[in-house]
Amino acid sequence: QVQLQESGPGLVKPSETLSLTCTVSGGSINKYIWSWIRQPPGKGLEWIGYIYDSGRTTYNPSLTSRVTMSVDTSKDQFSLKVNYVTAADTAVYYCARGGYSHAWTTGPVFDVWGHGTLVTVSS
Amino acid sequence: QIVVTQEPSLTVSPGGTVTLTCASSAGAVTTGNYPNWFQQNPGQAPRALIYFTNNRHSWTPARFSASLLGGKAALTLSGVQPDDESNYYCLLYYGGAWVFGGGTRLTVL
Repeated sequence: QVQLQESGPGLVKPSETLSLTCTVSGGSINKYIWSWIRQPPGKGLEWIGYIYDSGRTTYNPSLTSRVTMSVDTSKDQFSLKVNYVTAADTAVYYCARGGYSHAWTTGPVFDVWGHGTLVTVSS
Repeated sequence: QIVVTQEPSLTVSPGGTVTLTCASSAGAVTTGNYPNWFQQNPGQAPRALIYFTNNRHSWTPARFSASLLGGKAALTLSGVQPDDESNYYCLLYYGGAWVFGGGTRLTVL
């Protein structure tokens, strides 16, 4: 049973960098695509981007100038960085499995999610 | 910027049937948008219900079905149970990027 666990600081100052890591357990990070999604308090879900096990990335166009994702297959971890954060970046951040990296259209996708971690941007 | 629109709220009686829809500002939703549906209860992570238009995950009850309807993605709940009261989100694919709908708050009353 694959499980995901987000980790990182719960409080980040405005204009600084938000950094989170998602650890994959019970399975391998290889052969899959991995996504980050966030949800501001009381609001809906926003897809941030995804990263292949190979390191190939695609980001939400609205965030692409501030977002960087990376993967460490030796540790079964993938990470998210968001630069120059503001209060609008305050949200619960989720990591999720995005499908098979060699053929995601065969499905399923977004079938495994972490519990989420709240990141607050405040001075 | 593509906007995906869902009904903000719907109400259904226990045992009834309700259909939630998911529309795209880019035009009709098709199988090429690989529609997904998620259920989210307060304080919990989303749970996947449907992938690629109408495929249930192994844990998705059979009372949840999905389709394309009138240019939209649709999620139908039949024989609604009190536990189905929740927030439901659709997710659509647009050439490399994914976009969530705003969500539907389903009340069972």
